[in-house]
Amino acid sequence: AQKVTQAQTEISVVEKEDVTLDCVYETRDTTYYLFWYKQPPSGELVFLIRRNSFDEQNEISGRYSWNFQKSTSSFNFTITASQVVDSAVYFCALSDQGAQKLVFGQGTRLTINP
Amino acid sequence: DAGVIQSPRHEVTEMGQEVTLRCKPISGHNSLFWYRQTMMRGLELLIYFNNNVPIDDSGMPEDRFSAKMPNASFSTLKIQPSEPRDSAVYFCASSTAPRNTEAFFGQGTRLTVV
Repeated sequence: AQKVTQAQTEISVVEKEDVTLDCVYETRDTTYYLFWYKQPPSGELVFLIRRNSFDEQNEISGRYSWNFQKSTSSFNFTITASQVVDSAVYFCALSDQGAQKLVFGQGTRLTINP
Repeated sequence: DAGVIQSPRHEVTEMGQEVTLRCKPISGHNSLFWYRQTMMRGLELLIYFNNNVPIDDSGMPEDRFSAKMPNASFSTLKIQPSEPRDSAVYFCASSTAPRNTEAFFGQGTRLTVV
């Protein structure tokens, strides 16, 4: 069975600090997809990134970066120079080769204080 | 593109009443998903359709829940009769899986059963 664990329930930092959100996954599939979604206080789920299991290259998008390591089954998310607008709940998710249903972690509530 | 559109945004109903949630996926997307978000269980998949056909309904909690997709641009999730434990945020999402695997979510329907 697939499982995603986000051990950090809540994180609170001061603006401009760097912060890393951890994600550990379990799957027996050799082909799978990993995702991060953001849920701001308004409640919608916003897609951030998708990574397939054959692509271990790190990804950088502005202040956001992602580190995928198959050896440790982790897909961590780092925000550099955090801003108050980054405050949200962040979800890591996993899907199978068919890339249909998503299995979500429990989410990490990130609060950026001014 | 308007994105995934869900209605209503908020629904308050009395226990025992029938509730119907509606979803219009993104045009051209062939996969549609219904998820439920609660504090206790997090985000969980209820059912998904591919080309209007239900593929996996193993997440539907019980016979009181039913979902239909009569055409490519419309889906409903019905609860009859509703119970207080059905109170949650219900999200609809669509994608072009398996070609492009990221799912785009609607803004959700917050259901309260009193």
